[in-house]
Amino acid sequence: DAKTTQPPSMDCAEGRAANLPCNHSTISGNEYVYWYRQIHSQGPQYIIHGLKNNETNEMASLIITEDRKSSTLILPHATLRDTAVYYCIVRVATSTSGTYKYIFGTGTRLKVLA
Amino acid sequence: NAGVTQTPKFQVLKTGQSMTLQCAQDMNHEYMSWYRQDPGMGLRLIHYSVGAGITDQGEVPNGYNVSRSTTEDFPLRLLSAAPSQTSVYFCATYRGNTIYFGEGSWLTVV
Repeated sequence: DAKTTQPPSMDCAEGRAANLPCNHSTISGNEYVYWYRQIHSQGPQYIIHGLKNNETNEMASLIITEDRKSSTLILPHATLRDTAVYYCIVRVATSTSGTYKYIFGTGTRLKVLA
Repeated sequence: NAGVTQTPKFQVLKTGQSMTLQCAQDMNHEYMSWYRQDPGMGLRLIHYSVGAGITDQGEVPNGYNVSRSTTEDFPLRLLSAAPSQTSVYFCATYRGNTIYFGEGSWLTVV
């Protein structure tokens, strides 16, 4: 299974962009990259996902390198409420044709500073 | 809709006891999974199911059993609880590009 590697923690000043990196060097061509975040001990919440192209939604942007070995989640204007653990996740195929599972990394604990 | 419902929310077990964590979903999703999250750690996949009657092992399956007799339910059984199984357990379903998590079950084994 493809694994992801993330820095354990990062700080970001409120109002500035938060750039969270993820390494997924063993990812295969049809495996998507997803980002979720977890606030306190709640269930993780979806942020964004992508395969090859860069993606943007109302919450964040996802930049995937051309070789797909790494990606960066960008929160353009971080707020205190963005303090959370951010997980870079790979969706991988299972042994049952046409099905998949989600493998979480260890996550980055982002602290947004006032 | 309730979404994903886990019970119990909190449980204390003695070493060697067995128990079942219940997970029920009302979204008619084919995919269901169990994850565990140890303090300060990420989520690790225990077992997953891609449909009724189909289950498979995840990253850390030892000490746990699952079954999927219906689409709605995906119980996780601890056969003989050990202190190393003290953790928060999350049940999840997914369809398309979204994972739906339950609220978690806090398990302490003493």
